Amino acid sequence: DGGITQSPKYLFRKEGQNVTLSCEQNLNHDAMYWYRQDPGQGLRLIYYSQIVNDFQKGDIAEGYSVSREKKESFPLTVTSAQKNPTAFYLCASSSGLREQFFGPGTRLTVL
Amino acid sequence: RKEVEQDPGPFNVPEGATVAFNCTYSNSASQSFFWYRQDCRKEPKLLMSVYSSGNEDGRFTAQLNRASQYISLLIRDSKLSDSATYLCVHLNYGQNFVFGPGTRLSVLP
Repeated sequence: DGGITQSPKYLFRKEGQNVTLSCEQNLNHDAMYWYRQDPGQGLRLIYYSQIVNDFQKGDIAEGYSVSREKKESFPLTVTSAQKNPTAFYLCASSSGLREQFFGPGTRLTVL
Repeated sequence: RKEVEQDPGPFNVPEGATVAFNCTYSNSASQSFFWYRQDCRKEPKLLMSVYSSGNEDGRFTAQLNRASQYISLLIRDSKLSDSATYLCVHLNYGQNFVFGPGTRLSVLP
């Protein structure tokens, strides 16, 4: 089955820790994206990558980092510099001018 | 002005009703448009793509008016399962997807 997987589904982080969220796709899509969604709010773009070994900051990149070493993978690291990281994190991919497909999301909670 | 704006909602309608959502966008260079639905605590899922003037899929009809820069979504014969948040999305020339804040729909028995 083609699709996007994210892991873990739930993640708990202590203050001051870095954590990495996984995103993998087997749709052969060139572009991948990370979004953050807070309760009752819309999606906000963190980072995106349109090709391997290249990525750009979105609207709220501060406190986050990404890498794109393989076409299939686009991990997101939430660093200790992100002051309010508790949120729902969504990864997506797309090809050309066509629609985005989303993974099931990771719910991150800071303890 | 936000790049994509939607009816704030929430819309509470009885089963069987027809409901319409509007969405306006400010970037006249937008290429493609989409409607997604998002259930509570789940990921958005594609409902319809709108590449030309409109699209129809069963009970759902999307219309695009480029001159006025708005798209609409019409849902006929609402079902309880249609209850969700509906997201208006457009793709600009930078290949960035821009999401509206969403409109919440509750279909009541």
